[in-house]
Amino acid sequence: KQEVTQIPAALSVPEGENLVLNCSFTDSAIYNLQWFRQDPGKGLTSLLLIQSSQREQTSGRLNASLDKSSGRSTLYIAASQPGDSATYLCAVSRWTYKYIFGTGTRLKVLA
Amino acid sequence: DTEVTQTPKHLVMGMTNKKSLKCEQHMGHRAMYWYKQKAKKPPELMFVYSYEKLSINESVPSRFSPECPNSSLLNLHLHALQPEDSALYLCASSQPRLAERTTTDTQYFGPGTRLTVL
Repeated sequence: KQEVTQIPAALSVPEGENLVLNCSFTDSAIYNLQWFRQDPGKGLTSLLLIQSSQREQTSGRLNASLDKSSGRSTLYIAASQPGDSATYLCAVSRWTYKYIFGTGTRLKVLA
Repeated sequence: DTEVTQTPKHLVMGMTNKKSLKCEQHMGHRAMYWYKQKAKKPPELMFVYSYEKLSINESVPSRFSPECPNSSLLNLHLHALQPEDSALYLCASSQPRLAERTTTDTQYFGPGTRLTVL
């Protein structure tokens, strides 16, 4: 059974810092991996999607990498801003429409 | 238009009530999802419709009844719920790659319906 874990569970950093969020999954036979952000009480917004054949994806200040063999993905946020404060979730899918979500990292960027 | 809309935003119901949650998208996506999310927990998949047919039912109790009347609409009918069913209910859509029975594209989520069962 696929399990997805995110470390750290919570993170507080001063504005301007570069930071890395981690996602680990137990079954490396995935089709793709997505990173989402969720603001309190709101829906999820997709940030980046990495296909299993890809190693990384970039969008603006965000860079996500994928190492399938080791069951790991990282989300790198450059020059963090208070508006980046949210919960970040990774999710993996295999052969169906079923996405398994990680436990999430609650990020707070201090002004 | 990359928006998924959900109504109502908030819903309070008693255990004997019958209510429905609605979800709509006009992106031409043919896969639609219901998730349940408890506070400080990740979303849990409940149902998936692919091309208007129920593709996945994650052993959800029968007091939750999904319906996909057409490719743009997804409903979740609620009846005889329990207080522990109180949660944020999220709808999402994506464009499936039918041949490989996987989703290749981004999932777009609606803002959710905050459900409270008294």
